[in-house]
Amino acid sequence: AIRMTQSPSSFSASTGDRVTITCRASQGISSYLAWYQQKPGKAPKLLIYAASTLQSGVPSRFSGSGSGTDFTLTISCLQSEDFATYYCQQYYSYPRYTFGQGTKLEIK
Amino acid sequence: EVQLVESGGGLVQPGGSLRLSCAASGFTFSSYEMNWVRQAPGKGLEWVSYISSSGSTIYYADSVKGRFTISRDNAKNSLYLQMNSLRAEDTAVYYCAREAHDSSGYPEYYFDYWGQGTLVTVSS
Repeated sequence: AIRMTQSPSSFSASTGDRVTITCRASQGISSYLAWYQQKPGKAPKLLIYAASTLQSGVPSRFSGSGSGTDFTLTISCLQSEDFATYYCQQYYSYPRYTFGQGTKLEIK
Repeated sequence: EVQLVESGGGLVQPGGSLRLSCAASGFTFSSYEMNWVRQAPGKGLEWVSYISSSGSTIYYADSVKGRFTISRDNAKNSLYLQMNSLRAEDTAVYYCAREAHDSSGYPEYYFDYWGQGTLVTVSS
């Protein structure tokens, strides 16, 4: 199975900061990567697919990059509503999908 | 508006069974591939099972193979997960999730809509 490793697992930041979350795949997955945001008690929400394509309705402060094994999610200017847990998901090995362990973004 | 509403969760003893349902609305259910994804308390997301739009192709995670059965009724716009021989480690919120399609209607393999989840607790 393809293993997805996110870093960091958690960190604190302030409103207005630029933050970057990293996701590494255990083997090459081309650009078959999605990012989700999850708030407590809620379902995950799709942010980005194909590594860098913004889902409709998602604010442009979110961006994604990478291909192969290394990927990043960047939030250019943190807003209060962005404090949540973020997950990457590979769909290269469709349909045996795997997720990263999550990155919890907390308010400093 | 796309809606996915899960039901059927609850408390069950180890070795017991439970059937989850996911009622879909706001889209042509019979055209979309569907999945179950679970999340243990305080943990990350784990893919559980996939079913093609027609129901003819099915996959399971190794952790549930032989114990869980995914199915769908396109006439009722519903997705199901029959869970047998439940274990404590199956305790989780179970989400149904729709696979996205591109503009031509081809599957894109990531999940664009999720239900709100239903909690399954396996405990004596």
